[in-house]
Amino acid sequence: QKEVEQNSGPLSVPEGAIASLNCTYSDRGSQSFFWYRQYSGKSPELIMFIYSNGDKEDGRFTAQLNKASQYVSLLIRDSQPSDSATYLCAVRAGDKLIFGTGTRLQVFP
Amino acid sequence: DAGVIQSPRHEVTEMGQEVTLRCKPISGHNSLFWYRQTMMRGLELLIYFNNNVPIDDSGMPEDRFSAKMPNASFSTLKIQPSEPRDSAVYFCASSPGGPNEQFFGPGTRLTVL
Repeated sequence: QKEVEQNSGPLSVPEGAIASLNCTYSDRGSQSFFWYRQYSGKSPELIMFIYSNGDKEDGRFTAQLNKASQYVSLLIRDSQPSDSATYLCAVRAGDKLIFGTGTRLQVFP
Repeated sequence: DAGVIQSPRHEVTEMGQEVTLRCKPISGHNSLFWYRQTMMRGLELLIYFNNNVPIDDSGMPEDRFSAKMPNASFSTLKIQPSEPRDSAVYFCASSPGGPNEQFFGPGTRLTVL
């Protein structure tokens, strides 16, 4: 079992809809979780982090964490074509991050 | 404000040649990370440094790979000899301290023929 798992997608949503991206992790002791966005041909950039169970909102983005079920999700409200990218989930393991392979999101007009 | 700088941006070389990738972290950042990204394996941590000292190199695939950080503003990743399976995008990232707030460089796309 991979340490951090994501559905590779693509996840296709219409403009204005809510995009829901999910990630599961294997280490029950993990405490810190991150979402990175990577446009095609570009480098990853941090968009959200969450440490506590529940929801964390930042603009159109909401990160959700459920440690009991070992999953973390990212919701993007009012999706825009400019949100089309690959979203990488990362889990802190000691002094490093373990990344999932990413979910490709496509937002069509 | 300059971000993480990597060079070269693209490298094409032949099998058996030595390849050196370079990274300049963001000024004031104490942690530096080298990653490799492929379609098959995703983003993998190769090695990271804290205050110029290598902390964990367990991700370095084999002895052909080596990394150095002679000072706070420069790091290199060397592959000698290179092989076609080393073809990937190599990213350098830095953070103020620890893994939580990493800023990635633009990457070096390496092709080994």
